[in-house]
Parts: sequence; structure tokens; C-alpha cells
Amino acid sequence: DGGITQSPKYLFRKEGQNVTLSCEQNLNHDAMYWYRQDPGQGLRLIYYSQIVNDFQKGDIAEGYSVSREKKESFPLTVTSAQKNPTAFYLCASSVGGDGYTFGSGTRLTVV
Amino acid sequence: AQSVTQLDSQVPVFEEAPVELRCNYSSSVSVYLFWYVQYPNQGLQLLLKYLSGSTLVKGINGFEAEFNKSQTSFHLRKPSVHISDTAEYFCAVSGIGSNDYKLSFGAGTTVTVRA
Repeated sequence: DGGITQSPKYLFRKEGQNVTLSCEQNLNHDAMYWYRQDPGQGLRLIYYSQIVNDFQKGDIAEGYSVSREKKESFPLTVTSAQKNPTAFYLCASSVGGDGYTFGSGTRLTVV
Repeated sequence: AQSVTQLDSQVPVFEEAPVELRCNYSSSVSVYLFWYVQYPNQGLQLLLKYLSGSTLVKGINGFEAEFNKSQTSFHLRKPSVHISDTAEYFCAVSGIGSNDYKLSFGAGTTVTVRA
């Protein structure tokens, strides 16, 4: 079955450490997105990519980085510059504007 | 740019009662509208979407929503809820004709169904 796979499901980060969240899709979608979810704030867009080797900042890109070397993959790195990284992270992909698919999420906790 | 306001942060409701979740949006262009449901520690599942055509949209699990362009609203309704409908619900919008089809989300409405 086609879908989006996010890994790991739970991730713990020490202060000052970079961590990378994985997002893989086999839907042949061109566009991929990363959202951050905090209680009471809905989902906020971190980065998005409409095509391989190209990506744009979303509303809260500071402290994050991404790459899009393959159509299927859009990993997100949470850097030490992100001062409050504890959150639930969701990856999505889409074809056009009317069909989005979401992964099951990664919960990141700073320890 | 588009934005979404969900007017209720929490909605308690008794089992078998009706529920309405309110959503207003703002956009300078035509839009696509979506409602998603999220269960704890899971991703988002699409309930329904409005792209064009009939303003009354029917979705999964007995949910429906009505697009009202003049009031810029897209309220979600279910005539009779079940315990299993306890979840968080998100309204979202994307702009038609924009180059990137980014989704903008509301803050969410937590629905708690009680027996």
C-alpha cells in the first residue's frame, strides 16, 4: 500500500544535539511538507518542497534544515539552534492542492 | 496568504447528540477547504474536503460540512456522535492557483464525547 512512513515514532534529544527525522513516501507525490504541532496551536509549517533539489522555508524554519535529494525522501534536521524543539512533527505529501497524505508523526523530546 | 480560525477550542457533547464545529477562513483567492481528525499520537486523517461544486460536502464516519462563501465559513456537523468520535479536529485551507498549495491550519477543536 502507498503511504508515508515517518521514523522514529519517539525521539529523545540532549541539549545541543542535532537530530534527524525521517520521512519517506511511495505515493509518487511531487510535494512534501514538514509541520510542527504544539498543544493549542494547530500545525505550523516548517519547510516544504515542490520538487527534487528545491525547498522553501515555511512559517517557523529557524533552527531547522531539510534536504530533498530524492523524490521519495524529505528528512528534517532539528539543530541545536532550535531552542524549544519538544513537539510532535508531522510529514505530509501532496499532488496538486487537493490531495494530502500525512505520516503518523514523530514525537521529539528534549532530555 | 490564507488563515483559519476555529471558533471553539473544546466541545463536550453527550453520546448520540449532534455536534457542530465552527471554522472561518480568510483568503484573497479562491480556496480548497479540508477537515481532518487526529487521534492521540497519530497523524491526520481526512474527514472531507471542498474543492468545487455542491456546497454541502459529505465525508467519512457520518460527518458533513457546508461551504458558505459569503460568510467565509466551513462548519463541520454530525447528527449523532459516538464515543469513538472523541478526538481533535482541524480545519485547513489552501489557496487555488498559488504555486505551492500549502495547507494552513486552525488551532484545532477537541471533541469529548461522554456517555
